Amino acid sequence: EPEVTQTPSHQVTQMGQEVILRCVPISNHLYFYWYRQILGQKVEFLVSFYNNEISEKSEIFDDQFSVERPDGSNFTLKIRSTKLEDSAMYFCASSETGLAAGEQFFGPGTRLTVL
Amino acid sequence: AQTVTQSQPEMSVQEAETVTLSCTYDTSESDYYLFWYKQPPSRQMILVIRQEAYKQQNATENRFSVNFQKAAKSFSLKISDSQLGDAAMYFCAHAGYGNKLVFGAGTILRVKS
Repeated sequence: EPEVTQTPSHQVTQMGQEVILRCVPISNHLYFYWYRQILGQKVEFLVSFYNNEISEKSEIFDDQFSVERPDGSNFTLKIRSTKLEDSAMYFCASSETGLAAGEQFFGPGTRLTVL
Repeated sequence: AQTVTQSQPEMSVQEAETVTLSCTYDTSESDYYLFWYKQPPSRQMILVIRQEAYKQQNATENRFSVNFQKAAKSFSLKISDSQLGDAAMYFCAHAGYGNKLVFGAGTILRVKS
């Protein structure tokens, strides 16, 4: 069964460093999403992406964040200068359609630890 | 803006018994979906069940069913014949135009043997 994959599973970085989190969505999906979950808290929407453009972004997704689809398979989230409060689990998701009916399939997540 | 509220931080159920997890939501959209996601200790997000707002009939998936009360903006999850593998964090979520998922705070479900 097709699945969303994410690498790395765990990333440890120093405050102020840049990190790139990688995702490989399901191959025929066209809509991509990033969510984050700070430990013990709820899952929060960061950004949605379609046709090489951001469709929607949350208040969390400030200038420190960027997303890119550098090739036909990968979807990346870059944090330019990490802060302690960026420590969280980051989930990538993809869906076939951008409608609410389109089920989002989640990857296993990348745990980001900022020291 | 859409909001999702789960008022039960934690619930317990005896194995083989039934438990209901509560969820209320607020939305300005007329067409939307509601979901229950399960997050086991591995932290993978797994879709349990979903309900389209236009459908009056409550969704069911094997031992999982929902009680969707549109006027009350209530969307509870019933788990029948609870199993040890059901122990997890359960999130209620809303998706409307743009398919952005808005999650509740979650309910930890513990299953006692």
